[in-house]
Amino acid sequence: EAQVTQNPRYLITVTGKKLTVTCSQNMNHEYMSWYRQDPGLGLRQIYYSMNVEVTDKGDVPEGYKVSRKEKRNFPLILESPSPNQTSLYFCASSPPGDSNQPQHFGDGTRLSIL
Amino acid sequence: DAKTTQPPSMDCAEGRAANLPCNHSTISGNEYVYWYRQIHSQGPQYIIHGLKNNETNEMASLIITEDRKSSTLILPHATLRDTAVYYCIVRPLLYNFNKFYFGSGTKLNVKP
Repeated sequence: EAQVTQNPRYLITVTGKKLTVTCSQNMNHEYMSWYRQDPGLGLRQIYYSMNVEVTDKGDVPEGYKVSRKEKRNFPLILESPSPNQTSLYFCASSPPGDSNQPQHFGDGTRLSIL
Repeated sequence: DAKTTQPPSMDCAEGRAANLPCNHSTISGNEYVYWYRQIHSQGPQYIIHGLKNNETNEMASLIITEDRKSSTLILPHATLRDTAVYYCIVRPLLYNFNKFYFGSGTKLNVKP
């Protein structure tokens, strides 16, 4: 089954404790992206990756890092989490833009930073 | 970035057709219109997309006006499980063409 898998689904942690949210897709998609969703602000893009070793900032990249060492994985790293990063996070993937195929989204990761 | 305008909420009776409108008056010639929905806090779910012709799949129909400045998503027989926030998105043409701007969407309430 084609899917985007995020882990963990829920996490409560404390300020300053480094964490990684993993994202994996099994569709051989080139493009992957991270969004965060906050009440009243919709989904905002954090980082995206056009392909392996190619990443770029989205609209709200501060406080986050990403890496794309292999095609299927696109982890989101919070080096020193802060309470304003408490949010619902989604990973997405899709084929290249010129194929005009939809993005597929994971089920989300709810992070609470105390 | 807000290239689409949708009503904040709509009600629909179960079993009836739900017609969700979207305005995208600044859409460019080669930009597609995509529709997604989000049920509660789950990941956004793809519904349908189109360029200028009407489209239909197993979930819904998409009607795009001839001038392409607006579209309507039609759920032919709404069920309670269709209660969700529906997002109309214009896909960017260049550069970060997979950066979907979701906006506020329309909250569809399907009532018994």
